[in-house]
Amino acid sequence: GQNIDQPTEMTATEGAIVQINCTYQTSGFNGLFWYQQHAGEAPTFLSYNVLDGLEEKGRFSSFLSRSKGYSYLLLKELQMKDSASYLCAVLDSNYQLIWGAGTKLIIKP
Amino acid sequence: IAGITQAPTSQILAAGRRMTLRCTQDMRHNAMYWYRQDLGLGLRLIHYSNTAGTTGKGEVPDGYSVSRANTDDFPLTLASAVPSQTSVYFCASSRLAGDRTDTQYFGPGTRLTVL
Repeated sequence: GQNIDQPTEMTATEGAIVQINCTYQTSGFNGLFWYQQHAGEAPTFLSYNVLDGLEEKGRFSSFLSRSKGYSYLLLKELQMKDSASYLCAVLDSNYQLIWGAGTKLIIKP
Repeated sequence: IAGITQAPTSQILAAGRRMTLRCTQDMRHNAMYWYRQDLGLGLRLIHYSNTAGTTGKGEVPDGYSVSRANTDDFPLTLASAVPSQTSVYFCASSRLAGDRTDTQYFGPGTRLTVL
């Protein structure tokens, strides 16, 4: 079967750095997305990786290793507004999007 | 309107009733999607439409139907609601037709409770 694994919940301190991991086992791979979802709101796009390596966008970076079936989202200089769930989703060989259950990130002052 | 709107915001429905969730986008996107989100599970695709006039089944289509008469609207209908359809429903759209690598933009969601 197809599977996306993310930690259920993480806690970090304002101003610090946090890494949210995502591992996947899918039938093929055509890219990996990260979305942010604040409680009670819609998911919003953060990043899309299809090649190995690190992509940086301001305070957020996303890393992909296709050989390891692994990605992470790195958030720097954490702010209280970063408290949200972070969803990992993988496009399989049929271009079907498989979503993880999400990681709830709690930021403490 | 800017982006995607969904109606109603929330609804409590008796089992066996028919219900239509509305979704409208003003971005002239070709593709539209309906997802359900349940606690502890990832988003699951119910139905999709790559362009106006076409629809397709997603991962969990049973008990749901959709239509795409024009570019902007993509209603989701529950013909006879059951308690297992209690969920948060998200509509999404993307610019390109049939290109799942394209970014999806989500509506604010409809919280549906079936009793």
